[in-house]
Amino acid sequence: DAKTTQPTSMDCAEGRAANLPCNHSTISGNEYVYWYRQIHSQGPQYIIHGLKNNETNEMASLIITEDRKSSTLILPHATLRDTAVYYCIVRGGARFGNEKLTFGTGTRLTIIP
Amino acid sequence: GAGVSQSPRYKVAKRGQDVALRCDPISGHVSLFWYQQALGQGPEFLTYFQNEAQLDKSGLPSDRFFAERPEGSVSTLKIQRTQQEDSAVYLCASSSEGRRDMNTEAFFGQGTRLTVV
Repeated sequence: DAKTTQPTSMDCAEGRAANLPCNHSTISGNEYVYWYRQIHSQGPQYIIHGLKNNETNEMASLIITEDRKSSTLILPHATLRDTAVYYCIVRGGARFGNEKLTFGTGTRLTIIP
Repeated sequence: GAGVSQSPRYKVAKRGQDVALRCDPISGHVSLFWYQQALGQGPEFLTYFQNEAQLDKSGLPSDRFFAERPEGSVSTLKIQRTQQEDSAVYLCASSSEGRRDMNTEAFFGQGTRLTVV
């Protein structure tokens, strides 16, 4: 499985955009980039995923570099409820016999009032 | 609600006791995963089912761990002769993604916190 590298922790002021980087330099052509987050004492929550194009949904935007070796998750207007551990994961998918999500240690994002 | 449901939410077991953890996935989801999360760590993969077939059990830490999904819906994770190092949160996730489907997301339950004393 391709591995990802994320900063251990980040702070962001409430109301500002939170930009969380992820390096995945060994990603293969069929692997997607997924982001999940885990708020204390809850199960991981899906945020967004993409292959090579930038993606946006109601929660966040995902920007993937052209060479696909890194990506950035953007929370456009961070609130206190966005304080969580954010996991960047690369995954091929069931079509390729790569069903599981392999979590690393993630980035602990703290939103500052 | 229509999410993934796990029970019990908390379980305290004496060392050597057998435990059974239940997962009710989202209705119709073909894929089901079990993960183990130790305190301060990210979730670690245990096993994967597609319908009733257990396709990957590479993450089960020992033969004391056993999972089943006999009718392709509810799943049970059983731990025999529990030990203190088994103390963790056990997470279940389900997904509509099968081996002929495009990538989609997995939905996680709240987890069962197992404490072995």
